[in-house]
Amino acid sequence: KQEVTQIPAALSVPEGENLVLNCSFTDSAIYNLQWFRQDPGKGLTSLLLIQSSQREQTSGRLNASLDKSSGRSTLYIAASQPGDSATYLCAVAPMDSNYQLIWGAGTKLIIKP
Amino acid sequence: DADVTQTPRNRITKTGKRIMLECSQTKGHDRMYWYRQDPGLGLRLIYYSFDVKDINKGEISDGYSVSRQAQAKFSLSLESAIPNQTALYFCATNGHITDTQYFGPGTRLTVL
Repeated sequence: KQEVTQIPAALSVPEGENLVLNCSFTDSAIYNLQWFRQDPGKGLTSLLLIQSSQREQTSGRLNASLDKSSGRSTLYIAASQPGDSATYLCAVAPMDSNYQLIWGAGTKLIIKP
Repeated sequence: DADVTQTPRNRITKTGKRIMLECSQTKGHDRMYWYRQDPGLGLRLIYYSFDVKDINKGEISDGYSVSRQAQAKFSLSLESAIPNQTALYFCATNGHITDTQYFGPGTRLTVL
C-alpha cells in the first residue's frame, strides 16, 4: 500500500532564505505527484504537478523535483517571503488506485520577517 | 466568486444528529470528491463521483453517504454523527482524471 511521508512536520526560517521541503513515497508506480499549499480557511491550492515521466516543474520561485526510483520529491522555495507561510502538502496518484490520491500529512512552514 | 463553494463553513452538532454538507462548483467539471482532514494526518478520500450516475466509495466511506444532485452539486451526509467524525471536510473537483484538483474552502465539523 502506498504511503506518503513529509518531514519535517514544521519548519521555521528567516525571510529571504532558500528552503527545501521533502516528500517521500513507498511505491514508484505513480501517474504523477502534486504539491499543494493550504492556507487556513481557504482550502488547498495546487502549486505544481509533475508527471511520472518528468523530473521537475517550475513556477516562479518554486521548483519541484521528482525521483521515482528513490521515491522522493522536493519542493524548493527561493528567497522565501512571509506570504509563503502555509502548510505544504504533497500527494501521489498511484497507478493501481483508480486515481485516488494518497496524501502526506504536510509541512507547516513559517517564514519569520 | 469562488469556483468551488462549501456550505456550511462551520458546524457544531451533537452525537446522533443527521448532518449534510453541500458542495457546488462552477468549473463545469464532471469529477467531484469529498475528503476529510484530521490533525497530523493527510487528506483521506470519503467518496468520489466521476459523473452524475457514477458514485464510488473511497478509503473511509463507513458512516457517510453522498448524493450527486447535478453535475455541479455533490453533497455529503452523516446519517448519525459521532464524535470521531469531528474533522475538516473538503470538496474538490477536476475535469480529467489526471488533472489537478480544485478545492473548496472546507467545512469544519465538530460533533459533541
